[in-house]
Amino acid sequence: SQQGEEDPQALSIQEGENATMNCSYKTSINNLQWYRQNSGRGLVHLILIRSNEREKHSGRLRVTLDTSKKSSSLLITASRAADTASYFCATDKTGANNLFFGTGTRLTVIP
Amino acid sequence: DAGVIQSPRHEVTEMGQEVTLRCKPISGHDYLFWYRQTMMRGLELLIYFNNNVPIDDSGMPEDRFSAKMPNASFSTLKIQPSEPRDSAVYFCASSLGPVYNEQFFGPGTRLTVL
Repeated sequence: SQQGEEDPQALSIQEGENATMNCSYKTSINNLQWYRQNSGRGLVHLILIRSNEREKHSGRLRVTLDTSKKSSSLLITASRAADTASYFCATDKTGANNLFFGTGTRLTVIP
Repeated sequence: DAGVIQSPRHEVTEMGQEVTLRCKPISGHDYLFWYRQTMMRGLELLIYFNNNVPIDDSGMPEDRFSAKMPNASFSTLKIQPSEPRDSAVYFCASSLGPVYNEQFFGPGTRLTVL
């Protein structure tokens, strides 16, 4: 079974608005990563947050991690049409060799 | 660097045929991963290599699937015989470190088995 689940499954917003996506996972992790996938393309790494970190920023991206709730959120500020893509969280379960990807959130930014 | 290179980009074959997918990782990356993506199951890790050695193949669905990495710049994923349920997009990724490090994905091979 997949480790992570994103919420919502789909999100549609106007350009300039902020987009928030959530990820929940089931077991202890070492790190959590967020990836973006444009239609028909491979995944692109966005940001990695370690289990001992609570918040991380990269440009217009802000990621939070709450290990007590086993959840993470990805905030994209001032969204652009080019941000339209699917966003996945990925976790490495402590003691496992697998990287588990969530089900993804499909973000549509309307110009 | 050209990034991770995969070939072919699209493959259409008939059930029972052998399929070989190819991957060239980013130079200097010691880890190589093969994933499969479907609507039903999402993105699944099939197998990964470290320094050309398979480390974890627990994600390989069955004996029809095999993967090799004869050298640091080339890997293959073979399906023999192929079945319609193998239809998916297969991604290769590479990284400097193991699964919890940033991974660089190739463009994928879209496989359709008729």
